[in-house]
Amino acid sequence: GNSVTQMEGPVTLSEEAFLTINCTYTATGYPSLFWYVQYPGEGLQLLLKATKADDKGSNKGFEATYRKETTSFHLEKGSVQVSDSAVYFCALTSGSARQLTFGSGTQLTVLP
Amino acid sequence: GAVVSQHPSRVICKSGTSVKIECRSLDFQATTMFWYRQFPKQSLMLMATSNEGSKATYEQGVEKDKFLINHASLTLSTLTVTSAHPEDSSFYICSAKGDSAYEQYFGPGTRLTVT
Repeated sequence: GNSVTQMEGPVTLSEEAFLTINCTYTATGYPSLFWYVQYPGEGLQLLLKATKADDKGSNKGFEATYRKETTSFHLEKGSVQVSDSAVYFCALTSGSARQLTFGSGTQLTVLP
Repeated sequence: GAVVSQHPSRVICKSGTSVKIECRSLDFQATTMFWYRQFPKQSLMLMATSNEGSKATYEQGVEKDKFLINHASLTLSTLTVTSAHPEDSSFYICSAKGDSAYEQYFGPGTRLTVT
């Protein structure tokens, strides 16, 4: 079956620090990969996505590259801001399955 | 992008009563809607998948008689928590997708508190 393993948090960084949140996956077929962000008290927002190997998703300074050889989709940002404080979820869909499979989420706190 | 709304955003009810949560796709036809439950500081747990005009498919361990899902139109799905108890207090999130799309769009969530 499908599964997503995500770096455990919480992660606390100073403003302008470099961010990496690791994500690896197991899936049948050729999954599409996603990063979602959840701000306090809100639902999930799609941050970025990649639908095939070697694709790079990017948005708001965040990037993640679909690595088939390492089954990974690590999230990176070169310089985080206080406003990036949120919970980040890695997720995938695969084959005919329409459901998203989520990782456990990583709480990020950025301090000024 | 596509917009999904949920109503209400917060609800407090007494134990034993029923609560209905609405999920609407505002600018697209949602052939499939998903209902999730999220416990504090945890990931989303898929409760059920509903396709317009048919019965919902519930995940293992989710009581279908307690969590009633109706997807009567291409823009509306409802989740009714029947005979609610304090342990049903949680954050409920819906998502929706069109027939040809692989991407799900999430609603803002509903915070249910049962006293």
